[in-house]
Amino acid sequence: DTAVSQTPKYLVTQMGNDKSIKCEQNLGHDTMYWYKQDSKKFLKIMFSYNNKELIINETVPNRFSPKSPDKAHLNLHINSLELGDSAVYFCASSHLAGGPADTQYFGPGTRLTVL
Amino acid sequence: QKEVEQDPGPLSVPEGAIVSLNCTYSNSAFQYFMWYRQYSRKGPELLMYTYSSGNKEDGRFTAQVDKSSKYISLFIRDSQPSDSATYLCAMSAQGNTGKLIFGQGTTLQVKP
Repeated sequence: DTAVSQTPKYLVTQMGNDKSIKCEQNLGHDTMYWYKQDSKKFLKIMFSYNNKELIINETVPNRFSPKSPDKAHLNLHINSLELGDSAVYFCASSHLAGGPADTQYFGPGTRLTVL
Repeated sequence: QKEVEQDPGPLSVPEGAIVSLNCTYSNSAFQYFMWYRQYSRKGPELLMYTYSSGNKEDGRFTAQVDKSSKYISLFIRDSQPSDSATYLCAMSAQGNTGKLIFGQGTTLQVKP
């Protein structure tokens, strides 16, 4: 059974398009996250939701909009895609209310390429 | 200057070697220290977790935290080709609602 799953795995699109990435976790966790990993493997948090409520919102362009329809799902919508958005996007989830000691489980990643 | 600095490598060692991976950090509020392992084209997975200063051992892996020097290490004994991966250190402060700050990751290759 996949714990944290993301779709699609690969996404190739043109500049200016709008795209969405979906994430689902079946671990019963309350908190979900979106991370961006650049070409140098640097992993940076973008957003975090706890029970459908936004709790972390890093300095991210407002072209990026997360949506959590329920605590098992967290989607990421990106408007007007730019070349610099090319990266691997990881979804993660954790059990408690995102406490600092809480293990975060990562999905397999979505590799976004903007042409 | 990044909050967490990690030498990206790559680091190449022969099988059986002892590997030392390190991170330095600048934020004295960090209390929780983690090491994640990321295989190629996979998501990171938690390898070791330490709270505050001290050592923690798990099999061939030992994590060390020196808060006075703002320095953390991961040691891998008897390294195996299956240890070939990128190792990311991560840190978090008390009451920080799960916000992890990651190092850049060190790519390790263990040659048979």
